[in-house]
Amino acid sequence: DADVTQTPRNRITKTGKRIMLECSQTKGHDRMYWYRQDPGLGLRLIYYSFDVKDINKGEISDGYSVSRQAQAKFSLSLESAIPNQTALYFCATSDLSRNHQETQYFGPGTRLLVL
Amino acid sequence: GESVGLHLPTLSVQEGDNSIINCAYSNSASDYFIWYKQESGKGPQFIIDIRSNMDKRQGQRVTVLLNKTVKHLSLQIAATQPGDSAVYFCAETGFQKLVFGTGTRLLVSP
Repeated sequence: DADVTQTPRNRITKTGKRIMLECSQTKGHDRMYWYRQDPGLGLRLIYYSFDVKDINKGEISDGYSVSRQAQAKFSLSLESAIPNQTALYFCATSDLSRNHQETQYFGPGTRLLVL
Repeated sequence: GESVGLHLPTLSVQEGDNSIINCAYSNSASDYFIWYKQESGKGPQFIIDIRSNMDKRQGQRVTVLLNKTVKHLSLQIAATQPGDSAVYFCAETGFQKLVFGTGTRLLVSP
């Protein structure tokens, strides 16, 4: 979905390096999410944010941090990358409908390899 | 190539057949369910949703069935096409966050 963009699309880094993955959206949504996807494990939530002043840990936040710089931007940082953080990372956005139901819209993903 | 889903359950069908993909969800309090399609190299895309006060919803060539008694969700794709080949995820939500299943790979052969 071109409304949600992620940079970079692919990244190779070394153990111990700090890296940042960036996400931007033009959908005007308040809510943004970071997930990682590993073979056979589906999507697991790392962090989420319901507005610019709000940051919440997901189920696997250890080793990651996030920054919600603006409504449209949500970045994910790995302070000291380790090989088991090799995965496919997705950003998503959503907004609650009037029925309080939520559909998330995903970016194209960032493939990260930590050597 | 796509590294997602190397160990996923796989459903293989012939082009033109109907496909049924199943999902068991865990939270009886979940009140909204979504099916996503993920093609190789892309992020998940919304296909169809259903609220817990419904047991069936139809879209274009797709139907979602919800059985709350056994906490089961299914996605039916009519006249499956090669372009339907992808990994399909169900997701449930009860309070603020979506929880995703691990996915099923659909392979469509001509």
